[in-house]
Amino acid sequence: NAGVMQNPRHLVRRRGQEARLRCSPMKGHSHVYWYRQLPEEGLKFMVYLQKENIIDESGMPKERFSAEFPKEGPSILRIQQVVRGDSAAYFCASSLGTAGTTEAFFGQGTRLTVV
Amino acid sequence: TQLLEQSPQFLSIQEGENLTVYCNSSSVFSSLQWYRQEPGEGPVLLVTVVTGGEVKKLKRLTFQFGDARKDSSLHITAAQPGDTGLYLCAGEGGGGSNYKLTFGKGTLLTVNP
Repeated sequence: NAGVMQNPRHLVRRRGQEARLRCSPMKGHSHVYWYRQLPEEGLKFMVYLQKENIIDESGMPKERFSAEFPKEGPSILRIQQVVRGDSAAYFCASSLGTAGTTEAFFGQGTRLTVV
Repeated sequence: TQLLEQSPQFLSIQEGENLTVYCNSSSVFSSLQWYRQEPGEGPVLLVTVVTGGEVKKLKRLTFQFGDARKDSSLHITAAQPGDTGLYLCAGEGGGGSNYKLTFGKGTLLTVNP
């Protein structure tokens, strides 16, 4: 059973471009969470999604960031018009049920560098 | 805003030594998780502690959850170079949500051979 798959592992974007980060949850998992890890900072919650629904996006910046988890295909974290401050590692986690009741498994992350 | 403070931030020891890292908060969590993260990888769950005062052992690692469920410690006995990594604690159930994890900044452990 493959783990949480994130791609790309590394992404370089110029300021103003768009970044699209993909996350395929573990098989059978319908709950997806995105976290951001800034240099020398802890992981910060961004958004919690279930299939076709955004449950909690309280950790997402109000502008330029969006997330989706369609019925078919991976979850996508989209950052429009990237700025240098968006450079970070973005981690996706998935769980079978709500993460408070079942274990959430993390992917290897996407390291975004904005130049 | 809930915070989890981890100490020390950095720790460099020799193989065979014992160590303890701490995770403290002013908030109560329904559970607390410890992760280990290696460079370029995602966090890997080591243990979840749920009950105040709970102690869990995982080979040479001993995890303790404070009685008030606000703090936790990780003790490693006879550390080995393979223990090198970033140790993260994360509280669950804060802010009224049972799915959001609040992470500390981590303790970066280096075990020298």
